[in-house]
Amino acid sequence: AQRVTQPEKLLSVFKGAPVELKCNYSYSGSPELFWYVQYSRQRLQLLLRHISRESIKGFTADLNKGETSFHLKKPFAQEEDSAMYYCALGAPNTGGFKTIFGAGTRLFVKA
Amino acid sequence: DAGVTQSPTHLIKTRGQQVTLRCSPKSGHDTVSWYQQALGQGPQFIFQYYEEEERQRGNFPDRFSGHQFPNYSSELNVNALLLGDSALYLCASSPGHSYEQYFGPGTRLTVT
Repeated sequence: AQRVTQPEKLLSVFKGAPVELKCNYSYSGSPELFWYVQYSRQRLQLLLRHISRESIKGFTADLNKGETSFHLKKPFAQEEDSAMYYCALGAPNTGGFKTIFGAGTRLFVKA
Repeated sequence: DAGVTQSPTHLIKTRGQQVTLRCSPKSGHDTVSWYQQALGQGPQFIFQYYEEEERQRGNFPDRFSGHQFPNYSSELNVNALLLGDSALYLCASSPGHSYEQYFGPGTRLTVT
């Protein structure tokens, strides 16, 4: 079964603290993994994808196939990082470009 | 480019009625995907349209149907509405063979 699990509904950290949003997936193949973000009163937007191996707004995510995880990390959280974060899996073996989303984690960065 | 646009912004329907939601993709995109997002949940994939055909479908009943027009815009139709269909419906567009999606603002559907 194809599934994305984000175990934390809410994560609250202080400004300047490190942050890690957890994501685990289930997929029998080689998926593409993504993180999407939704800031207050804005639409859902792509933050980063694992194949790019880039850092966006200080965030990075490493695909760990052994642990089937794709955790999102940032060494020093900023207040403007407060948002809803969704981990998503692209399933290339399903005949199209279907994307499966996790339930999301709300990140709250306190001053 | 206004990006992905959806209409209407919100609407209220009664159980048993039918509804049509509309989506215009980002300029240059030919693929449209529809998602249902219930309160407190992540988006759930309904189906995807490419070249005016349904390319892929999620676990939604046949009451959910769609269409894509030659200009790549798309409609989502839901028949025989149930209370459980109340949700935010998101449209996303992408280039034909890419997972990189751009989302619209959504249509909030309330079924009473």
